[in-house]
Amino acid sequence: DSGVTQTPKHLITATGQRVTLRCSPRSGDLSVYWYQQSLDQGLQFLIHYYNGEERAKGNILERFSAQQFPDLHSELNLSSLELGDSALYFCASSATSGGNTGELFFGEGSRLTVL
Amino acid sequence: DAKTTQPTSMDCAEGRAANLPCNHSTISGNEYVYWYRQIHSQGPQYIIHGLKNNETNEMASLIITEDRKSSTLILPHATLRDTAVYYCVKSGTYKYIFGTGTRLKVLA
Repeated sequence: DSGVTQTPKHLITATGQRVTLRCSPRSGDLSVYWYQQSLDQGLQFLIHYYNGEERAKGNILERFSAQQFPDLHSELNLSSLELGDSALYFCASSATSGGNTGELFFGEGSRLTVL
Repeated sequence: DAKTTQPTSMDCAEGRAANLPCNHSTISGNEYVYWYRQIHSQGPQYIIHGLKNNETNEMASLIITEDRKSSTLILPHATLRDTAVYYCVKSGTYKYIFGTGTRLKVLA
């Protein structure tokens, strides 16, 4: 158990809909990272927040947005969903921000299926 | 665009050392090299990281070339439980960028 909690674990929805994925970082961790993993693909970096502030963006679509709240949990919002958005979405946390923060602790992911 | 490349797949006999290579097209002086592994579709797990010196921990060793563009993860005595996808990761300012991953299969 990494200490990172992601909900929901599974989600099935239709094209055009909007969903919200939630992540609670490990106790004391200030950084949250979001990744997308499509079927049999690697992990694509989406976005990084540190203590409520956006620190870095990766290949995140304009239809996607995220935020980190004062209690440090984070939400990833996916809207106008398309079939190609079906993927595993991982959240990871770390204590600090930057290149040598030590290990990232990953949650077990939220599996999104768009029909 | 900077690329991190890894072999798609490798096999290793149980009990033997597994050597997994990684190459970066570019890497800056402040970018660290991390290795993670992913078993099935679980969340990736940290293995080891380094900047320019070789590193060793209880799980693995990490060898980094002098120009830092290549690294090798060594699992000294692979077991069946080491079967997984291994990712080489470049960590710079606020980002951890995962490579393409190597699917390692440990054979009995």
